Amino acid sequence: AQRVTQPEKLLSVFKGAPVELKCNYSYSGSPELFWYVQYSRQRLQLLLRHISRESIKGFTADLNKGETSFHLKKPFAQEEDSAMYYCALQTTDSWGKLQFGAGTQVVVTP
Amino acid sequence: DTGVSQNPRHKITKRGQNVTFRCDPISEHNRLYWYRQTLGQGPEFLTYFQNEAQLEKSRLLSDRFSAERPKGSFSTLEIQRTEQGDSAMYLCASMGENTGELFFGEGSRLTVL
Repeated sequence: AQRVTQPEKLLSVFKGAPVELKCNYSYSGSPELFWYVQYSRQRLQLLLRHISRESIKGFTADLNKGETSFHLKKPFAQEEDSAMYYCALQTTDSWGKLQFGAGTQVVVTP
Repeated sequence: DTGVSQNPRHKITKRGQNVTFRCDPISEHNRLYWYRQTLGQGPEFLTYFQNEAQLEKSRLLSDRFSAERPKGSFSTLEIQRTEQGDSAMYLCASMGENTGELFFGEGSRLTVL
């Protein structure tokens, strides 16, 4: 069975510092990986997905199949990045059926 | 607001009572999903519909849970004979045909006393 692990429950960084959120997965097939974000008092929303290879709000994530990882990175954290971040995995042909990690709370302090 | 709408937003009930949640998806989205989220965990998949057809149900969905989407538009999730372990946030999401992006509602928080 597939599994998504986010080892850090809380990540506290200073404004302007780099931030990296770790995500590891286990799945024997070809996964699709996502990062979803939930800002305070807002609904869960898609931040980025690996197939789009985009940088969203300065965040990037690279799928490393050898290490089965999909870490989220931003070189210079901003206060508005404070939020809950969830890594999620979708298996082949399972549109919308996601396996989420437990989430990482990011706090950016000035 | 044309996003996914859920109600009620909060429900407090006594153990053994039945509760029903409603989800109105984005109108042009044919796929609708229910997830459950408990404290400190990510959302867990419960079930999903393509139009009015319920295509998959998780093992988490015991026989006390039933979901419907009668006309392929809004959906309801009913929990019968609630237990304290049912206390959670119930999230609804919708997606357009094979776009891969889920649009979530704000959730319905259930507290079973």
